[in-house]
Amino acid sequence: EAGVVQSPRYKIIEKKQPVAFWCNPISGHNTLYWYLQNLGQGPELLIRYENEEAVDDSQLPKDRFSAERLKGVDSTLKIQPAELGDSAVYLCASSLVSSRSNEQFFGPGTRLTVL
Amino acid sequence: GNSVTQMEGPVTLSEEAFLTINCTYTATGYPSLFWYVQYPGEGLQLLLKATKADDKGSNKGFEATYRKETTSFHLEKGSVQVSDSAVYFCALSDPDTGGFKTIFGAGTRLFVKA
Repeated sequence: EAGVVQSPRYKIIEKKQPVAFWCNPISGHNTLYWYLQNLGQGPELLIRYENEEAVDDSQLPKDRFSAERLKGVDSTLKIQPAELGDSAVYLCASSLVSSRSNEQFFGPGTRLTVL
Repeated sequence: GNSVTQMEGPVTLSEEAFLTINCTYTATGYPSLFWYVQYPGEGLQLLLKATKADDKGSNKGFEATYRKETTSFHLEKGSVQVSDSAVYFCALSDPDTGGFKTIFGAGTRLFVKA
């Protein structure tokens, strides 16, 4: 069974440029998460989708970040414009359903460097 | 707010040594507790979990017990291997969001020497 797929694995951009990350969750998983992981820190939730609905986007900086999950399958996270402080690893995860004991399956992440 | 605190790393051990990684949490209500592991170049993967007080989660020789009285979920393994070298994250399901949001600790890096 294929795991969570993310692309690209690495991205280097100049500040003020736009960037997009793509995630394909495990087949059949209804819940999709985007996390931000700074160096030496644990993942922090940016947004959670139930199918195509964003049910928790309270931590997403909406002035520059946007996300979509069309058709409730794969998802794209965009930053426009990027700032130096956005350099981090962006993780995508999925789970079969949302529950308090759900196991999340993580992709390998996209490492973003903003110069 | 709810949070997870785990011991700082890196932790360096020789093969076959005993491992303990401390994790304590602050939560209103009754969260589920998790340990995730991240091997080099890979995504996080669930190692074990416990959903209520006194539950013991175990997997691959690792175990952790949900201690409500001390708000702890320490990870232990009796004999580590070089292949256990990774970053370990303690996490909880946030009761304030019905458990749908997972809060992670900062991670503890483990190095095991042959």
